[in-house]
Amino acid sequence: AQSVTQLDSHVSVSEGTPVLLRCNYSSSYSPSLFWYVQHPNKGLQLLLKYTSAATLVKGINGFEAEFKKSETSFHLTKPSAHMSDAAEYFCVVTFPLDTGRRALTFGSGTRLQVQP
Amino acid sequence: DAGVTQSPTHLIKTRGQQVTLRCSPKSGHDTVSWYQQALGQGPQFIFQYYEEEERQRGNFPDRFSGHQFPNYSSELNVNALLLGDSALYLCASSLDDRPDNEQFFGPGTRLTVL
Repeated sequence: AQSVTQLDSHVSVSEGTPVLLRCNYSSSYSPSLFWYVQHPNKGLQLLLKYTSAATLVKGINGFEAEFKKSETSFHLTKPSAHMSDAAEYFCVVTFPLDTGRRALTFGSGTRLQVQP
Repeated sequence: DAGVTQSPTHLIKTRGQQVTLRCSPKSGHDTVSWYQQALGQGPQFIFQYYEEEERQRGNFPDRFSGHQFPNYSSELNVNALLLGDSALYLCASSLDDRPDNEQFFGPGTRLTVL
């Protein structure tokens, strides 16, 4: 079985300060990991993904995440928050290709608020 | 490219009724997955269609069924609706069924069961 835990349901930061959204995963396999963002009334959008290449992954809009196998973590960071970053963020894990299993497993989400 | 489109955007049904939701994938994509997102929760995988076949199914009852057409569009059918089926239903498309491919999501259909 595999699962993903987002450690904070809500995070509030001031504009221009760093963002840290925490994610821990559990998987019997070497996982692929993703971060998706969901803005109100818009579809989920991929921020970045890790698929066993470089452990530090850079995504869109200045976000990046580091895969740490020893800590089973995949935390999302951004050096400086912008008002437009306010949204719901989901950490996602999936099985490796050779398992034949295709489902994405989503965390429960972290709502990021950005204060002016 | 219109991306992934879903219809209708909103739907209100009563318990016991049946509903059909529709999805058109992003141009060039042949794989469609459906997810249910209850209020305040992350999306839950319902099933995935590839080459007009259901390739994998999540932990949902048989009341949830689907179909993929030759043009890769897809339908999600839910029979005997329950109050607990109220949710945002998301369709996602991808280029083939590799699990590490990016899935592109539509805006969803908001289903309310009264």
